[in-house]
Amino acid sequence: EPEVTQTPSHQVTQMGQEVILRCVPISNHLYFYWYRQILGQKVEFLVSFYNNEISEKSEIFDDQFSVERPDGSNFTLKIRSTKLEDSAMYFCASTVRLSTDTQYFGPGTRLTVL
Amino acid sequence: AQSVTQLGSHVSVSEGALVLLRCNYSSSVPPYLFWYVQYPNQGLQLLLKYTTGATLVKGINGFEAEFKKSETSFHLTKPSAHMSDAAEYFCAVSDRGNQGGKLIFGQGTELSVKP
Repeated sequence: EPEVTQTPSHQVTQMGQEVILRCVPISNHLYFYWYRQILGQKVEFLVSFYNNEISEKSEIFDDQFSVERPDGSNFTLKIRSTKLEDSAMYFCASTVRLSTDTQYFGPGTRLTVL
Repeated sequence: AQSVTQLGSHVSVSEGALVLLRCNYSSSVPPYLFWYVQYPNQGLQLLLKYTTGATLVKGINGFEAEFKKSETSFHLTKPSAHMSDAAEYFCAVSDRGNQGGKLIFGQGTELSVKP
């Protein structure tokens, strides 16, 4: 069964450093998402992406964040200058169509900012 | 704005007992509703979803949920708990009018199953 994959599974970085989290969505999916979950808190929406542009972003997704689909398979989340509060589990998700269709989630990348 | 409230961050049941995980939502438009499960060190997996039609929805692993508009609820149930059901469960809502399709999640409920 097709699945969403994410790399790395764990990332440790120093405050102020740039990180890139990578995701490979399911191949025929058209909509892509990033969510995050700070330890002990709820899963929060960050951004949705369709047709090579951002469809919607949350207040969390400020200028420090960017997303890109550099080729036909990868979907990346970049944090330019990490802060302590960016420490969280980051989930990538994809779906074929909107709303009624299931969003398939990857296993997540645990980001720790020291 | 949409929101989801899950009552009880931790629920413990005995094997074979009824599982009831509560979810209430707030939405200005008819919502799409979802239950996801997260096993340790894994991503979120869809259990079931309500979009339109029958309000009682059956999902995988014997789970079901009923959409009750008058109560703004979408509680998850399973008649008989199994040890393998131990996991974190998330209720989520999506605005059917939202072109981005984002999911708004509840806080999650950790289900423990005692032998």
